[in-house]
Amino acid sequence: ETGVTQTPRHLVMGMTNKKSLKCEQHLGHNAMYWYKQSAKKPLELMFVYNFKEQTENNSVPSRFSPECPNSSHLFLHLHTLQPEDSALYLCASSQDHLAGVNTGELFFGEGSRLTVL
Amino acid sequence: GEDVEQSLFLSVREGDSSVINCTYTDSSSTYLYWYKQEPGAGLQLLTYIFSNMDMKQDQRLTVLLNKKDKHLSLRIADTQTGDSAIYFCAEKGQAGTALIFGKGTTLSVSS
Repeated sequence: ETGVTQTPRHLVMGMTNKKSLKCEQHLGHNAMYWYKQSAKKPLELMFVYNFKEQTENNSVPSRFSPECPNSSHLFLHLHTLQPEDSALYLCASSQDHLAGVNTGELFFGEGSRLTVL
Repeated sequence: GEDVEQSLFLSVREGDSSVINCTYTDSSSTYLYWYKQEPGAGLQLLTYIFSNMDMKQDQRLTVLLNKKDKHLSLRIADTQTGDSAIYFCAEKGQAGTALIFGKGTTLSVSS
C-alpha cells in the first residue's frame, strides 16, 4: 500500500467510447501527476497539478483531459482514443511540486492498464 | 533536452551482485533516484542520493554517483529472486521540474 489508489486497474475501451481513470491519494500531498508507461519507452510525464492547479501539460493530445477537483483526487478523462494510447497509466503524488526543499519523491499508484480496441 | 539512459536488461544468478547503470544529461540535477517496479505494480522508491554526495549505502543497496561523468549506478549485493523487477533511474532538476525517468532495466535473477 503506497497511499495512492487507482481505479479501474484494467480498462478495455473502443475508440468511440468515453471513460475516466480515477486516482486518490491519502498522504496529504499537494501535487499529483499522470504518467504514461509504454513498453521499452521511458515513463512519459503527461500532467502535473500542484495545489489543484495544472502546472505542466507535456504536449498531451486533447483526447486526454485531466481534472483535479482537490489535492486528493485526480481524474483522466478519455475520449476518442487510438490503439497506440494503450498503455499503463500511472498516477503519482508528492509533497509539493514546486518547492525545492523537499526530495521530490513520488509515490505511485499501481496503475490502470488501458487497452484501446 | 533532458535525457536518462539505462540498459534494458540484466541477468544474474542468485547470490551474485547486480550492478545497474544509468547516465543522465542534466547537470543541474539535485536528486537522483532508483525506483523498483514489480510485475503488476506501480513504481516504489528504493533509494535516492543528493547530488553533493558520491555514495550512499542502505543495507544491500549501494548507490554510486559520478557527477562529473553524470553516471549513477545501483549495486545490489547478494541478489535474490525477489529482486527480479524493473529498475528505473530518475533525476530531479531544479525546483518546479518533474522527475525524468529512464526506460527501466529489467533485472532477471535465476536460481
